[in-house]
Amino acid sequence: GAGVSQSPRYKVAKRGQDVALRCDPISGHVSLFWYQQALGQGPEFLTYFQNEAQLDKSGLPSDRFFAERPEGSVSTLKIQRTQQEDSAVYLCASSLVRVMNTEAFFGQGTRLTVV
Amino acid sequence: DQQVKQNSPSLSVQEGRISILNCDYTNSMFDYFLWYKKYPAEGPTFLISISSIKDKNEDGRFTVFLNKSAKHLSLHIVPSQPGDSAVYFCAASAYSGAGSYQLTFGKGTKLSVIP
Repeated sequence: GAGVSQSPRYKVAKRGQDVALRCDPISGHVSLFWYQQALGQGPEFLTYFQNEAQLDKSGLPSDRFFAERPEGSVSTLKIQRTQQEDSAVYLCASSLVRVMNTEAFFGQGTRLTVV
Repeated sequence: DQQVKQNSPSLSVQEGRISILNCDYTNSMFDYFLWYKKYPAEGPTFLISISSIKDKNEDGRFTVFLNKSAKHLSLHIVPSQPGDSAVYFCAASAYSGAGSYQLTFGKGTKLSVIP
């Protein structure tokens, strides 16, 4: 596709349910980032992949959060046993190069609501 | 502790006038600064950036100014147009030490350009 695609666009989960959020980056982009944006806040870094390698997961808030990118393309962010504080928009961004500046493109995000 | 601060949650400007959006930062390790524009239900879109070794960068109607000694940057939009109405995020880039450059975002400023 022409841009970064995320699915689903909206997800409502009951507290304690597991969810999986998908990101299709721009073809050929080496770098992939996940960000979490709470209501009224700016996006906050979660994790970074370079191809299939997860080089930085320092932003993941707890061990309930897990991300993978097994073939260096599509990435999945999984949240286990969701809590209300997990409600946020989850943004994925991809970049042709390692440095995230002008070359980074964001998807539309997945809005997760935990009830 | 917020490392990138946008102290004005909103700004209203008359069409044709100048819009000035401000951003302050605390981390002297930031080496690149970016402005992103975000429309409702869309992901952030890159607008303009500036390296920490420069003090000004201009692209059409958009100019970013950087004052390193004051740890302050600003985005000027001249002339402002109704289509510029969006949330503007200031972001700063620094090497994370874990193989990636992370972006740290401010909370955003909602710009409304009144026709």
